[in-house]
Amino acid sequence: GQNIDQPTEMTATEGAIVQINCTYQTSGFNGLFWYQQHAGEAPTFLSYNVLDGLEEKGRFSSFLSRSKGYSYLLLKELQMKDSASYLCAVKDSNYQLIWGAGTKLIIKP
Amino acid sequence: GAVVSQHPSRVICKSGTSVKIECRSLDFQATTMFWYRQFPKQSLMLMATSNEGSKATYEQGVEKDKFLINHASLTLSTLTVTSAHPEDSSFYICSARGDFSGETGELFFGEGSRLTVL
Repeated sequence: GQNIDQPTEMTATEGAIVQINCTYQTSGFNGLFWYQQHAGEAPTFLSYNVLDGLEEKGRFSSFLSRSKGYSYLLLKELQMKDSASYLCAVKDSNYQLIWGAGTKLIIKP
Repeated sequence: GAVVSQHPSRVICKSGTSVKIECRSLDFQATTMFWYRQFPKQSLMLMATSNEGSKATYEQGVEKDKFLINHASLTLSTLTVTSAHPEDSSFYICSARGDFSGETGELFFGEGSRLTVL
């Protein structure tokens, strides 16, 4: 079966750095997305990786290793507004998106 | 650009009634629209995929007669929950993919609609 694993919840301190991991087992791979979802709102796009390596976009970076079936989202200089759920999603061989359950990130002052 | 608007954002209805949720792409043509359901603390569950002018493709376990999807134009898709029951209470989210989404196939999400069935 297809599976996306990410931690259920993480806590970090304002101003610090946090890394959210995502491992996947899917039938084929055609890209990996990270989305941010605030409570009661729809997800918003953060990043897309299709090749191995690190993609940096401001305070957020996303890394992919296809051979390991692994990705992480790195958030730097954490702000209170970064408190949200972070969803990892993989596009499989049929270009269907398989979603992880999301990681709830709690930022403390 | 690439704004998707969903309406209503919240709806409360009595058991047995039908509820229609609209999803509009405001500034682009959505070649494909997706409808998701999300229960508290759970991931997005794809319900169906719809392409303009054709019948929606439903995921396994989703009743097509209960969740009617109409994608009548390139900017509008509707989801109608027929004969709603309390177990249908959930957060329903639509997303759209435009012909400009290109290689990434990035999805643009509506704001979501929270349905509460009493």
